[in-house]
Amino acid sequence: QVQVVESGGGVVQPGRSLRLSCAASGFTFSSYGMHWVRQAPGKGLEWVAVIWYGGSNKYYADSVKGRFTISRDNSKNTLYLQMNSLRVEDTAVYYCARDLREAGSTIDYWGQGTLVTVSS
Amino acid sequence: DIQMTQSPSSLSASVGDRVTITCRASQGISNYLAWFQQKPGKAPKSLIYASSSLQSGVPSKFSGSGSGTDFTLTISSLQPEDFATYYCQQYNSYPFTFGPGTKVDIK
Repeated sequence: QVQVVESGGGVVQPGRSLRLSCAASGFTFSSYGMHWVRQAPGKGLEWVAVIWYGGSNKYYADSVKGRFTISRDNSKNTLYLQMNSLRVEDTAVYYCARDLREAGSTIDYWGQGTLVTVSS
Repeated sequence: DIQMTQSPSSLSASVGDRVTITCRASQGISNYLAWFQQKPGKAPKSLIYASSSLQSGVPSKFSGSGSGTDFTLTISSLQPEDFATYYCQQYNSYPFTFGPGTKVDIK
């Protein structure tokens, strides 16, 4: 069965960096786009970034552009989110999610999320 | 960026009720509209894509419609497990954007 499992969350000070990972299994990882979506405490869902199946196309929310980088290693079935210059407002549960297709579509499967807390 | 709005922001309903949630896009998005369900403390679950296509395993009591700027999600007969928050999302153009959510709770 399709499974995506996030890791790497934790507490980090403002201005520091953190890298999230998402291990995928149960499907041909290299054939699907992958997304990151976040949810601040008590708030709604916010789409963060997407990477197409081959890794060559990446798109970001305005709120993270220039600070976050999405990447993937298809040989390891793993998705990443490198988060730099973190701000208090980046505090959220970060979800890894599979695209319905190889590129440019919406989400079909979600992970359980990993909590990132940015605080001094 | 495309802005998404939902109405109502919350509603109270009884088991067996028919419930309709509306989602509106700030510009035309064809049928590139998805719906998600989220229960407290849980990850979202994908319900519908392409405005009206059910994701695998989603029961037929859920249905979606619309095109352009106006969309609806309908739950034909509300069951206890359907009490949750529902989000729409446009995927017509980047950055993808979610609506603010509609919370459905028990009357």
